[in-house]
Amino acid sequence: EAGVTQSPTHLIKTRGQQATLRCSPISGHTSVYWYQQALGLGLQFLLWYDEGEERNRGNFPPRFSGRQFPNYSSELNVNALELEDSALYLCASSWGTGLGAYEQYFGPGTRLTVT
Amino acid sequence: KQEVTQIPAALSVPEGENLVLNCSFTDSAIYNLQWFRQDPGKGLTSLLLIQSSQREQTSGRLNASLDKSSGRSTLYIAASQPGDSATYLCAVHTGGFKTIFGAGTRLFVKA
Repeated sequence: EAGVTQSPTHLIKTRGQQATLRCSPISGHTSVYWYQQALGLGLQFLLWYDEGEERNRGNFPPRFSGRQFPNYSSELNVNALELEDSALYLCASSWGTGLGAYEQYFGPGTRLTVT
Repeated sequence: KQEVTQIPAALSVPEGENLVLNCSFTDSAIYNLQWFRQDPGKGLTSLLLIQSSQREQTSGRLNASLDKSSGRSTLYIAASQPGDSATYLCAVHTGGFKTIFGAGTRLFVKA
């Protein structure tokens, strides 16, 4: 069974540009989560999508947005890139949510570098 | 506000030693707690998931315990090996399905 996949592996952008990161969950999983892991800051929760809807977001500005497609894959968009957006972006998926929430499985991440 | 703390921040042990990693959280209203390992520059690998109603979970040489009332979890690694060298993260899943991660314990097992 294929795990969570993310693309691209690496992305280099210039300040002010837009970045699009993609995630495909494990087959059968309906929830997708996005996290940012910046150097020295640890893992920060960004966004949670379930059944095509944004269910929750962390403390990030609106220029971080995304969507979930009917096939449950997801896209994270970061507009007006800033240098501090440079980080490893991790996507995770699970097949259950809410009470008794289920295990999250992580992808390998996308390394975004903003110059 | 939920905060997750992991102690120690780093640990270096000789191969074969048994060790304990600690995770504490400030709000006991959690759905579950999950332990991960992360190799440098890589994604996270799930090790163990403990539901809020459970006290412990075991997988091979790993055993994780959960004491919700005291806001603590421990990850016990038996007979450590150089391949265990990685950063170990604990995460609590809370209401609104936010996941709060600790900063991690960096483990180095010397051959």
